[in-house]
Amino acid sequence: QKEVEQDPGPLSVPEGAIVSLNCTYSNSAFQYFMWYRQYSRKGPELLMYTYSSGNKEDGRFTAQVDKSSKYISLFIRDSQPSDSATYLCAMSASGNQFYFGTGTSLTVIP
Amino acid sequence: DVKVTQSSRYLVKRTGEKVFLECVQDMDHENMFWYRQDPGLGLRLIYFSYDVKMKEKGDIPEGYSVSREKKERFSLILESASTNQTSMYLCATVGGLTGVYGYTFGSGTRLTVV
Repeated sequence: QKEVEQDPGPLSVPEGAIVSLNCTYSNSAFQYFMWYRQYSRKGPELLMYTYSSGNKEDGRFTAQVDKSSKYISLFIRDSQPSDSATYLCAMSASGNQFYFGTGTSLTVIP
Repeated sequence: DVKVTQSSRYLVKRTGEKVFLECVQDMDHENMFWYRQDPGLGLRLIYFSYDVKMKEKGDIPEGYSVSREKKERFSLILESASTNQTSMYLCATVGGLTGVYGYTFGSGTRLTVV
């Protein structure tokens, strides 16, 4: 079983839709949770960071962590064509080494 | 902001060549990582280093080696390039108090072995 599971998609939504991206994990020691956005032919860039359980909001983006279910989510409200990218979840127990999902490819259609 | 610089964006090498991929960071981060990224397989850890002259194997070290002679530089070496090493290679760093904020990645090197 992989440490982190993520649906690869692809996901295609119309502009303005709410997008939900999800990951599950198996290691209960994970306490640092990240979402990265990766545009084509670029390196991943950090989008959201959450420590332990709970929600975090930043503009149109909301990250949720449910440690009891070992499940994390990223919500994008009012999605824009510029949100079209691959989204990677990542998590860590120590903050020194992270485990990644395979990424979900998102296309927002104007 | 931490900057992680990978020396080449695109490389084309021949089978059997020795290939060097360079990564340089401009902060005093202890931890540096090399990943390869392939469609459907995600990011796979090749090697990592927690300090100068220290290295640890990741999940797929076969066919690769690394060098870390200075804290800011972490090199990935393909001893004898093969076509199955065609991939996107990503360097990442994390360190100190910023570790809780995750990795900073370089822009990646897209390597094609022909």
